[in-house]
Amino acid sequence: GESVGLHLPTLSVQEGDNSIINCAYSNSASDYFIWYKQESGKGPQFIIDIRSNMDKRQGQRVTVLLNKTVKHLSLQIAATQPGDSAVYFCAESGASDTGRRALTFGSGTRLQVQP
Amino acid sequence: EAQVTQNPRYLITVTGKKLTVTCSQNMNHEYMSWYRQDPGLGLRQIYYSMNVEVTDKGDVPEGYKVSRKEKRNFPLILESPSPNQTSLYFCASILGGFGPGTRLTVL
Repeated sequence: GESVGLHLPTLSVQEGDNSIINCAYSNSASDYFIWYKQESGKGPQFIIDIRSNMDKRQGQRVTVLLNKTVKHLSLQIAATQPGDSAVYFCAESGASDTGRRALTFGSGTRLQVQP
Repeated sequence: EAQVTQNPRYLITVTGKKLTVTCSQNMNHEYMSWYRQDPGLGLRQIYYSMNVEVTDKGDVPEGYKVSRKEKRNFPLILESPSPNQTSLYFCASILGGFGPGTRLTVL
């Protein structure tokens, strides 16, 4: 079946540096993508989303880039802080033939911010 | 405060004993879903609901049931739990808000 995956299971960065977390997806029908942050012992927290009619979207210190040609999604975090340490998931959503809409998650990347 | 709540937060049970994990949201959202999270497998969707009385299977529906009789509630039912259903379960409202999680252990 279709899948969403991540290139790197663990990313370690220095505080203040920029972080880039990558994600590949395989469902060409996906039209909505979300990045989540999950801290230990908590549920996933919405960070930013992007629709397939866009290739870039910016939030506060975060930017999501979407390359539909190669089915690649990335999350950029500017000036990474210790509080950014968490597991980050990408997720994709697309309407099925019946119009139903499911959400498929990648396996996650752990971001470790070194002081 | 807009939120998704789940109960119980922790549950230890035995094989075959029916259980229900409740999920409630106060945001009047139509879309709700259940996920399980397992090490190395990430979050996998069990069931989702587009609206009242409209439910559909996700990626791993076997062994689970759901119901959506009213918009705010979306309970997850395990009719005959098995040890392979030991996991961390999350309920979510639309595509953004997750509950705090329910850690289930089936002995």
